[in-house]
Amino acid sequence: DTGVSQNPRHKITKRGQNVTFRCDPISEHNRLYWYRQTLGQGPEFLTYFQNEAQLEKSRLLSDRFSAERPKGSFSTLEIQRTEQGDSAMYLCASSSGLAVSEQFFGPGTRLTVL
Amino acid sequence: AQSVTQLDSQVPVFEEAPVELRCNYSSSVSVYLFWYVQYPNQGLQLLLKYLSGSTLVESINGFEAEFNKSQTSFHLRKPSVHISDTAEYFCAVSDFNSGTYKYIFGTGTRLKVLA
Repeated sequence: DTGVSQNPRHKITKRGQNVTFRCDPISEHNRLYWYRQTLGQGPEFLTYFQNEAQLEKSRLLSDRFSAERPKGSFSTLEIQRTEQGDSAMYLCASSSGLAVSEQFFGPGTRLTVL
Repeated sequence: AQSVTQLDSQVPVFEEAPVELRCNYSSSVSVYLFWYVQYPNQGLQLLLKYLSGSTLVESINGFEAEFNKSQTSFHLRKPSVHISDTAEYFCAVSDFNSGTYKYIFGTGTRLKVLA
């Protein structure tokens, strides 16, 4: 097991285009999180999945953002009609189903919206 | 709502000197606390965590942090830093009240170790 992986690592797009990111968590982890990190800030929570169910969404997640986790395995985060303010590092993390367990982070996808 | 404050955005320190990176959180209810490190162009890596038990927790590379409930702090310390410790350090609180155990992060402290 090589940990949490994210693809692509970098994405450059033009304003108004749609983008999709993928996260593959550690295989036995049933919790999956998406965070967004902008320059000079700590990561901010976006959304959480327990298996395939999306149980919480931050108010940061506007209606242009959608996330899925079909079959409780990999997850995708789609941003429609991208804006320059969407430029950030998008981080995925996973953890086991224990009541308290650490989150393991992927390397992130850096999005640049021109 | 829970919040985390890392007052120092940058900390320069000479090699082999001690360092303390400060972290305060807003709520004194039961919390789980973490320090993550982010090396340049790499992802976040767990450095150490406090879940329960002893208030002093240690990492394998010489860092330690002490949970202080009365001061709502979880400061990170190392008695002697190395050049390789240059990185950004994030303090995080796990909010389990909603049942999601999501993290609330501080804004990070950039540690620069000088030769």
